[in-house]
Amino acid sequence: QKEVEQDPGPLSVPEGAIVSLNCTYSNSAFQYFMWYRQYSRKGPELLMYTYSSGNKEDGRFTAQVDKSSKYISLFIRDSQPSDSATYLCAMDHGANSKLTFGKGITLSVRP
Amino acid sequence: GAVVSQHPSRVICKSGTSVKIECRSLDFQATTMFWYRQFPKQSLMLMATSNEGSKATYEQGVEKDKFLINHASLTLSTLTVTSAHPEDSSFYICSARDRARGYTEAFFGQGTRLTVV
Repeated sequence: QKEVEQDPGPLSVPEGAIVSLNCTYSNSAFQYFMWYRQYSRKGPELLMYTYSSGNKEDGRFTAQVDKSSKYISLFIRDSQPSDSATYLCAMDHGANSKLTFGKGITLSVRP
Repeated sequence: GAVVSQHPSRVICKSGTSVKIECRSLDFQATTMFWYRQFPKQSLMLMATSNEGSKATYEQGVEKDKFLINHASLTLSTLTVTSAHPEDSSFYICSARDRARGYTEAFFGQGTRLTVV
């Protein structure tokens, strides 16, 4: 079993839809959880960062962490064509440790 | 967020030559930087952890003599691909965390696309 599993894609939704992206993990030592957005041929851009169970909201994005179920989610409200990108979940054991990434899911938002 | 700058963004080199990629933390100090490699439509694969003032730690299967890493200061790490071959063609990305923020969020450079011909 891989340490981090991410829902496979690709995912295509109409503009304005609510998008739900999910990852599960097996290592209970993971403490920090991040979501990155990566456009083609660019480096990953940090979207959300959380370290405790619960929800964290930033504009149209909400990150959810459930440590008891080892499950994290990223919700995108009112999706826009500019949200079309690959989304990667990432997590690690503690500050300054290496990240373990999910495989990534490619999202396409149709106008 | 903190800014990580990577240079060059794209490089084409001949087989057998060496290529140096720079990773700079522009507005923060980073005692540790991470180097990743990414193949098309795949996730990031950690190659090595670069530590300021000491030797890098390489992941299993990564040739340390081929991928030379130097972290000479708190804001600069370099990756040198020595005697490059076409199979080394890939997207290389560095990452760093801000000491002042407690090394929490990881920020990435814009990546370097290496093509070996």
